[in-house]
Amino acid sequence: DIVMTQSPLSLSVTPGEPASISCRSSQSLLRSNGAHSLGWYVQKPGQSPQLLIYLGSNRASGVPDRFSGSGSGTDFTLKISRVEAEDVGVYYCMQGLQSPLTFGQGTKVEIK
Amino acid sequence: QVQLQESGPGLVKPSQTLSLTCTVSGGSITRGPDYWTWLRQPAGKGLEWIGRIIASGGTNYNPSLKSRVTISKDTSKNEFSLKLSSVTAADTAVYYCARRSGSTLGFESWGQGTLVTVSS
Repeated sequence: DIVMTQSPLSLSVTPGEPASISCRSSQSLLRSNGAHSLGWYVQKPGQSPQLLIYLGSNRASGVPDRFSGSGSGTDFTLKISRVEAEDVGVYYCMQGLQSPLTFGQGTKVEIK
Repeated sequence: QVQLQESGPGLVKPSQTLSLTCTVSGGSITRGPDYWTWLRQPAGKGLEWIGRIIASGGTNYNPSLKSRVTISKDTSKNEFSLKLSSVTAADTAVYYCARRSGSTLGFESWGQGTLVTVSS
């Protein structure tokens, strides 16, 4: 199985400040078409997860542009340019290259 | 907009079979490239992919559960189902059904989740 490792596991951020979450995979997530099979999800308290970023760097429909995804190979980053109170939740990266699909442990983001 | 809704017993006895159904609205499970998927999340823990079914009926399961899992579909009802046999307390979790887009490869639609407790 591809192991996904996130850091940090928790993050306390002042509103308006940036935040960054790292995700590392145990093998490259590069697809034959040049895209990376890496997605980012947020699970807000009491809710189902929701898609933020797909194929490494593409924002899902309706996702604010303060969220961005980057990276290549085995190292990926989710950045929030200016954290807002509504961004509280647990953020997960997920690899979709190989079965079984696997998730990182999650990064809990809270507001200071 | 595709919506999904899980249903099934919230309590299952050890050694019995967990059975859940996901009813899909706003889209068809016969839609070509999408993956109709089951995932689960034990309380306070992360997400685990259980397996998926596609329009043709082809399935793919997590090897860690493969011997106990069956995912099937009923196109006449626009539903897909999960059966997990020989359950133990370790199978207690919130179970989600979700649609993974065949184009973005992201899980674009999720059910609200249903808690299944394994206990006698």
